[in-house]
Amino acid sequence: GAGVSQSPRYKVAKRGQDVALRCDPISGHVSLFWYQQALGQGPEFLTYFQNEAQLDKSGLPSDRFFAERPEGSVSTLKIQRTQQEDSAVYLCASSLVPGRQDTQYFGPGTRLTVL
Amino acid sequence: KQEVTQIPAALSVPEGENLVLNCSFTDSAIYNLQWFRQDPGKGLTSLLLIQSSQREQTSGRLNASLDKSSGRSTLYIAASQPGDSATYLCAVSNDYKLSFGAGTTVTVRA
Repeated sequence: GAGVSQSPRYKVAKRGQDVALRCDPISGHVSLFWYQQALGQGPEFLTYFQNEAQLDKSGLPSDRFFAERPEGSVSTLKIQRTQQEDSAVYLCASSLVPGRQDTQYFGPGTRLTVL
Repeated sequence: KQEVTQIPAALSVPEGENLVLNCSFTDSAIYNLQWFRQDPGKGLTSLLLIQSSQREQTSGRLNASLDKSSGRSTLYIAASQPGDSATYLCAVSNDYKLSFGAGTTVTVRA
């Protein structure tokens, strides 16, 4: 079956531009996560949704970052007034059930480059 | 805050040699530990998930052990192949979110 998909796969933005990154989780998956992976580092948690509810946004680095999942399926991560330090790969993951025991399935990521 | 460390950062071995990848974490109150594989330009593929109550998991040539009390896990890959070349990431879960190490980049030489 289809896995987690993300679009666009690559995005180049000029500093100060707004960007929107999309995640399509596996159908029926309740939990959805966003992670940020800087070059040479492991992914860092950004935010967590259970259905349409954003239960944790403690990892969002600034108020320029905003995420939503209005219908409990597709999610969008928006970055306003992009800065060079926002350059990274943004990974989306989903899992079937909420809670701590389930495997997270990752998408291919969106590589954002801010010039 | 959970800190996850992976040693070594990079490893190069000839084909057929066994691989040993190490992961350590500072907070032993974890729910599970996962090993992922990441190929260049691609997302993460889950290899093994070990629940906190388990000591090891096996899948084919892969075996992962977990010593929760000492905060350590080891991934063994038997009889390495060039196709095993990738970055391997360890991640622990203290709640619903994962804390990752920086990974070990493995090169298997033919």
